[in-house]
Amino acid sequence: KTQVEQSPQSLVVRQGENCVLQCNYSVTPDNHLRWFKQDTGKGLVSLTVLVHENDKTSNGRYSATLDKDAKHSTLHITATLLDDTATYICVVGDRGSALGRLHFGAGTQLIVIP
Amino acid sequence: EAAVTQSPRSKVAVTGGKVTLSCHQTNNHDYMYWYRQDTGHGLRLIHYSYVADSTEKGDIPDGYKASRPSQENFSLILELASLSQTAVYFCASSDATGTNSDYTFGSGTRLLVI
Repeated sequence: KTQVEQSPQSLVVRQGENCVLQCNYSVTPDNHLRWFKQDTGKGLVSLTVLVHENDKTSNGRYSATLDKDAKHSTLHITATLLDDTATYICVVGDRGSALGRLHFGAGTQLIVIP
Repeated sequence: EAAVTQSPRSKVAVTGGKVTLSCHQTNNHDYMYWYRQDTGHGLRLIHYSYVADSTEKGDIPDGYKASRPSQENFSLILELASLSQTAVYFCASSDATGTNSDYTFGSGTRLLVI
């Protein structure tokens, strides 16, 4: 059963527009949540890590929120650039110990057009 | 620059043949992982290791073996490749598994079994 669901599956925006990506999960315990960016044919690159209830993070044009009560996270991308075209993957870590596992969503494919 | 390098970048294998995927990291990380990525699905953990000469089963280990001869190197072995093992394989390393862990992913190996 999929424990990390992302929406939308794909999204097309015009350069300069803002967009919001959603992540809902059922992983328990939910120690932390990460957002990764995966360019086509490349590995995953970490964008941000959220840990605490109602955490908010900001990394340049990327910002993210976490609601642990709702088991929900959002990734906001402001003023999109063509280089933002990629798949964005939500990942939930189930504990902070050496036995911790990462649970991956299938990703949201973002396409930024001129 | 710290990195995870995978080889080969892509491979075509014959059903029933042996396939070895290699991974080398220069991060001085203790943990290394092998994941597979199938279209429309999140990454799934095959094998991992937290120390040289020791490997652990992940969530989908059947049909795969792993070898960690040194801290830097981690191989994934398919003794009898099958059609269902066609996928993109990612190697990753981390210094720990908790919230402050630094995860680095390789660029992936695209395996086609025919």
